Amino acid sequence: GAVVSQHPSWVICKSGTSVKIECRSLDFQATTMFWYRQFPKQSLMLMATSNEGSKATYEQGVEKDKFLINHASLTLSTLTVTSAHPEDSSFYICSATIRTSGGGTDTQYFGPGTRLTVL
Amino acid sequence: LAKTTQPISMDSYEGQEVNITCSHNNIATNDYITWYQQFPSQGPRFIIQGYKTKVTNEVASLFIPADRKSSTLSLPRVSLSDTAVYYCLVGALGYQKVTFGTGTKLQVIP
Repeated sequence: GAVVSQHPSWVICKSGTSVKIECRSLDFQATTMFWYRQFPKQSLMLMATSNEGSKATYEQGVEKDKFLINHASLTLSTLTVTSAHPEDSSFYICSATIRTSGGGTDTQYFGPGTRLTVL
Repeated sequence: LAKTTQPISMDSYEGQEVNITCSHNNIATNDYITWYQQFPSQGPRFIIQGYKTKVTNEVASLFIPADRKSSTLSLPRVSLSDTAVYYCLVGALGYQKVTFGTGTKLQVIP
């Protein structure tokens, strides 16, 4: 299947600093990428939809000025957590879509996730 | 967005076949059904996708009845390494957002 990478895999930062997480589709181009957040023992929660060359669409309750998303190319989307606080500590996962061979629908492939810990 | 309902957890012994059923009563005509597996601290991994009837690949089978209001993921002869959370998603994926349900935590017992 398609490969999606994330960098870094984990990061620890001090409260008030900003952290950038990269999401790359390694062997395909992705017009659309999604960013999720997952707290311990909970399901994935969609944060935003990232479209190449346009502004991201944020889900209700997600602060767009705090979680900056940039989708500068068809293989790279970045999520920047600005002025991070301990409550932002979570597991952040991105996904990219690819058209399934033989038509039908698109399939989301997920990155390995980034563990953010804010002290 | 179609809502999905799955059992919260299931236990199975090694070597048994496991069937996990997902309800999606308000599935739309152009929606597909996709199942993912997630291990702790990892991103979800694609398992299988289907629209109707039966789909089989090297790791699982997906059974979808004619009314498409439910689907069943079948894992043949599970091993300890299949212990994970399994999510059923419904939607015309890709350019449309989907909502993750609670998932089913499968525990495989030796």
